[in-house]
Amino acid sequence: QKEVEQNSGPLSVPEGAIASLNCTYSDRGSQSFFWYRQYSGKSPELIMSIYSNGDKEDGRFTAQLNKASQYVSLLIRDSQPSDSATYLCAVNRGGGSYIPTFGRGTSLIVHP
Amino acid sequence: DTAVSQTPKYLVTQMGNDKSIKCEQNLGHDTMYWYKQDSKKFLKIMFSYNNKELIINETVPNRFSPKSPDKAHLNLHINSLELGDSAVYFCASSQDGGGLNQPQHFGDGTRLSIL
Repeated sequence: QKEVEQNSGPLSVPEGAIASLNCTYSDRGSQSFFWYRQYSGKSPELIMSIYSNGDKEDGRFTAQLNKASQYVSLLIRDSQPSDSATYLCAVNRGGGSYIPTFGRGTSLIVHP
Repeated sequence: DTAVSQTPKYLVTQMGNDKSIKCEQNLGHDTMYWYKQDSKKFLKIMFSYNNKELIINETVPNRFSPKSPDKAHLNLHINSLELGDSAVYFCASSQDGGGLNQPQHFGDGTRLSIL
């Protein structure tokens, strides 16, 4: 059974701080990794995708992937109250597999 | 210019009824999905459909059936609705041609409530 684990939180950080969200996965053959943000009552929207080991930066967001340790993380720098949402980690095996596995999400609260 | 659109946005119906949710994407993607998100916010894949190949999550009851008239549409039909079917259903699409998977684009969701 493929599993994706996330701490459900809530993770509470002050405005301006760095928020660190973590995700571990069980399928060692996983190739594609995604972070989605979901505001309450809304649909998930893509924040970052990462496919290779190392860091990938996009604005205030940095995704980090370590396939040997089977974890992927998302760092949010200079956190804003508007970043308060649930962050979903999704993992896919690739190679013709179209069934992604989502974690249960981490709730992030950024307080002023 | 909505990328993934699903209708209706809200669906309130009685137990035992049959209902359908429609989904259309104008992104030219070749894979479409249906997800169920329950009250605990867990996003669970129900089906994926790629080039006429349907992949079913084996835990989904056979009361649920996806129907794809063409590559841009994947509708969800539900027979004999039960109380436990109350949830938000999301349609999504992605451009997957084998190799690495691409991100998914989600519709706004259909909130299904069973009375």
